[in-house]
Amino acid sequence: AQTVTQSQPEMSVQEAETVTLSCTYDTSENNYYLFWYKQPPSRQMILVIRQEAYKQQNATENRFSVNFQKAAKSFSLKISDSQLGDTAMYFCAFMNLGQGGKLIFGQGTELSVKP
Amino acid sequence: GAVVSQHPSWVICKSGTSVKIECRSLDFQATTMFWYRQFPKQSLMLMATSNEGSKATYEQGVEKDKFLINHASLTLSTLTVTSAHPEDSSFYICSARERSNSPLHFGNGTRLTVT
Repeated sequence: AQTVTQSQPEMSVQEAETVTLSCTYDTSENNYYLFWYKQPPSRQMILVIRQEAYKQQNATENRFSVNFQKAAKSFSLKISDSQLGDTAMYFCAFMNLGQGGKLIFGQGTELSVKP
Repeated sequence: GAVVSQHPSWVICKSGTSVKIECRSLDFQATTMFWYRQFPKQSLMLMATSNEGSKATYEQGVEKDKFLINHASLTLSTLTVTSAHPEDSSFYICSARERSNSPLHFGNGTRLTVT
């Protein structure tokens, strides 16, 4: 079974600074997707970034980028120029297309951006 | 973008009664829908996967007779919590996708409180 581990329950960062959230996963599969989701206090799940395992190039979406290390099964999220609106829970998630495409989530990291 | 509507957004019910939560895809046909449960400050735990026109697949430890899932059409899945107890109080979130490699879209969640 796949597992996703986020070892940082809480993190904080000063506004405009950079922060990196860690995520590791365990799988024997070769074809899968990895995601970072943001959950603000409204509880709405918002997709931040997505990475296909077969792609070597790290995904980037504006201020958000990932460091995908397939051999190490590591998938960290870097947030540059942090903004107050980035304050939220961040979940790393794994999806194996061969298992019906269900998303398995990590425990989450609560990020606080301080002014 | 694609919209998933979940209703109600919150509900309070008495112990022993049943409550139904609806998840609708508004502008796409959802061949697969997923139901998650989230306790405060915790991750999303997958309860079941529902494919249109077939029986739901439940995750280990989830009672299928207690959490009835119906996916009768390509735009609607329902989760019925039967004979609710206070320990069923939680945040329930649905997600839906059109095809196996399509992005997942999440509803806004339903906060269930059983008194």
